[in-house]
Amino acid sequence: QVQLQESGPGLVKPSETLSLTCTVSGYSISSGYYWGWIRQPPGKGPEWIGVIYHSGSTYYNPSLKSRVTISVDTSKNQFSLNLSSVTAADTAAYYCVRPAGGIPRHYLDCWGQGTLVTVSS
Amino acid sequence: QSVLTQPPSVSAAPGQKVTISCSGSNSNIENNYVSWYQQLPGTAPKLLIFDSNKRPSGIPDRFSGSKSGTSATLGITGLQTGDEADYYCGTWDSSLNAYVFGTGTKVTVL
Repeated sequence: QVQLQESGPGLVKPSETLSLTCTVSGYSISSGYYWGWIRQPPGKGPEWIGVIYHSGSTYYNPSLKSRVTISVDTSKNQFSLNLSSVTAADTAAYYCVRPAGGIPRHYLDCWGQGTLVTVSS
Repeated sequence: QSVLTQPPSVSAAPGQKVTISCSGSNSNIENNYVSWYQQLPGTAPKLLIFDSNKRPSGIPDRFSGSKSGTSATLGITGLQTGDEADYYCGTWDSSLNAYVFGTGTKVTVL
């Protein structure tokens, strides 16, 4: 059974870069599938950030594209999120996810438990 | 600002039925499959319905999904207190080139 676990700082200062890592267990990232990130501000709905394939191919939400980088480390079976120039509006629970069927636009059939990141000085 | 619109809340007594609508457009719902997610308080969203009307293994048949044109609907029958949660629709938007979620609906069991 595939499991996803987010890790990273819970507090980031404004204008700095938010960095999170998702560790995948129960499946080898290099075997296939896209892997991605979703965020959910407190009291609001989820927002799709983007996805990456093990080869490095990416799809990003156009509204965040200028600030987002998603990367993959197959040797550690991990993928990561970097979001630059953060503001208070980036405060959210961040989830790592897996789109089903190896297709980036498919439904999300696997979610991590999420990690809350607060942007504050 | 979401491109998929849901009612903020619905409620019903235990054992009754509720339906949740998700309204979109031809760039999302009309030309793509819809999924539904259940988010219990303090937890991550969980897939409830995929491909507009299919249930993952382990999801009871009290939950059903349908789609017509630019709208989709989630139905919950035999409402239970454990169904109290936020529900979100989701689909791909071909114009935005992004996966989009609905505004969310809170289900309350009276």
